Amino acid sequence: SQQGEEDPQALSIQEGENATMNCSYKTSINNLQWYRQNSGRGLVHLILIRSNEREKHSGRLRVTLDTSKKSSSLLITASRAADTASYFCATTSGGGADGLTFGKGTHLIIQP
Amino acid sequence: NAGVTQTPKFQVLKTGQSMTLQCAQDMNHEYMSWYRQDPGMGLRLIHYSVGAGITDQGEVPNGYNVSRSTTEDFPLRLLSAAPSQTSVYFCASSYSLQGDYGYTFGSGTRLTVV
Repeated sequence: SQQGEEDPQALSIQEGENATMNCSYKTSINNLQWYRQNSGRGLVHLILIRSNEREKHSGRLRVTLDTSKKSSSLLITASRAADTASYFCATTSGGGADGLTFGKGTHLIIQP
Repeated sequence: NAGVTQTPKFQVLKTGQSMTLQCAQDMNHEYMSWYRQDPGMGLRLIHYSVGAGITDQGEVPNGYNVSRSTTEDFPLRLLSAAPSQTSVYFCASSYSLQGDYGYTFGSGTRLTVV
């Protein structure tokens, strides 16, 4: 079964607003990664946070990780129309080379 | 660099037919993996490989075979296609950097089984 669930499943906001999406997972992890998928395209890696980290920033992205609650959040600040996409969290466990376990994703729509 | 290349991009099969989805990477990554994505779902791991000659099953391996004879290539074989295998298939390669694993995905193969 899939590792986790993203929340919400869909999110629609106005351009310029901040978007927050959450991810929960079930088992212990090495790291947690966030990916973006534009409609009909492959996945693009956004950011990785290690299990011993609590917060990480990259440009307009901020990721938090709470291992005690087995949850993570992705914040996109000052959203743009180009941010419209599906966002997935994915985890690695064990050795890390044995593939990623994905959540079901959040579909984000940025209204101009 | 081309990254991860998947062919074909689209394919329609009849039930019972066989085919091979190709995946090649030119980044000298040691690890490769295959996923399927169904509507409204995240990606689910089919098979993975930690090096040439070494493969293992993921979450949904039934109906699929893989082999890894070279570092660069990791083909996925459907021996007898079924409508339940209609999906979008993604191949990924990955590497280890200080204990973290960075993944690069191909652009996908959209497969329809009728």
